[in-house]
Amino acid sequence: GPKVLQIPSHQIIDMGQMVTLNCDPVSNHLYFYWYKQILGQQMEFLVNFYNGKVMEKSKLFKDQFSVERPDGSYFTLKIQPTALEDSAVYFCASSLLGGGAEQFFGPGTRLTVL
Amino acid sequence: AQSVTQPDARVTVSEGASLQLRCKYSYFGTPYLFWYVQYPRQGLQLLLKYYPGDPVVQGVNGFEAEFSKSNSSFHLRKASVHWSDWAVYFCAVSTKNTNTGKLTFGDGTVLTVKP
Repeated sequence: GPKVLQIPSHQIIDMGQMVTLNCDPVSNHLYFYWYKQILGQQMEFLVNFYNGKVMEKSKLFKDQFSVERPDGSYFTLKIQPTALEDSAVYFCASSLLGGGAEQFFGPGTRLTVL
Repeated sequence: AQSVTQPDARVTVSEGASLQLRCKYSYFGTPYLFWYVQYPRQGLQLLLKYYPGDPVVQGVNGFEAEFSKSNSSFHLRKASVHWSDWAVYFCAVSTKNTNTGKLTFGDGTVLTVKP
């Protein structure tokens, strides 16, 4: 079936550094999402992105976070600067439509902030 | 605001036994509901989805779920569990608002399968 890819699979950085997480969504999808998973269980919505704009973001999407998808390339999540509490697994998802359409998830990027 | 509760953090069943994982949702209006499964160190895979219509939804690998508006529930069932079903199961709710589409997840249920 359709696959979402995420690069890298694991990233270790020092607190205060910048990190960019990359997502290669399903090729014809139009809606893109980031979710954050802590402790291997709780999965929480961060942001969704459509037509070059953030459509909705949660309280977890702090001012240090930003997303973009320049020229149809990777959909990226940038954190600058990072904090210890940003350590988590970040999942990218994409869907063809918004509003309740099936989302396809990538395998996740495990971010460790030291 | 939409929310999902999965009251059982852990469920253990014997291989071959039947399974029910519980999900309760809170949503104003008619929700779109999903069950996803997560295997160790992998992303989420969709098991099944409910859009307004037949309350019993069939999914992959013998899973099904039943929507109940009166009980605000969307419980997942399987008649005979296989060892490969050992995973974490997430129930999620979404809105039909086309400007968003965020999934709100429950905390997940860890399913352990005994031989």
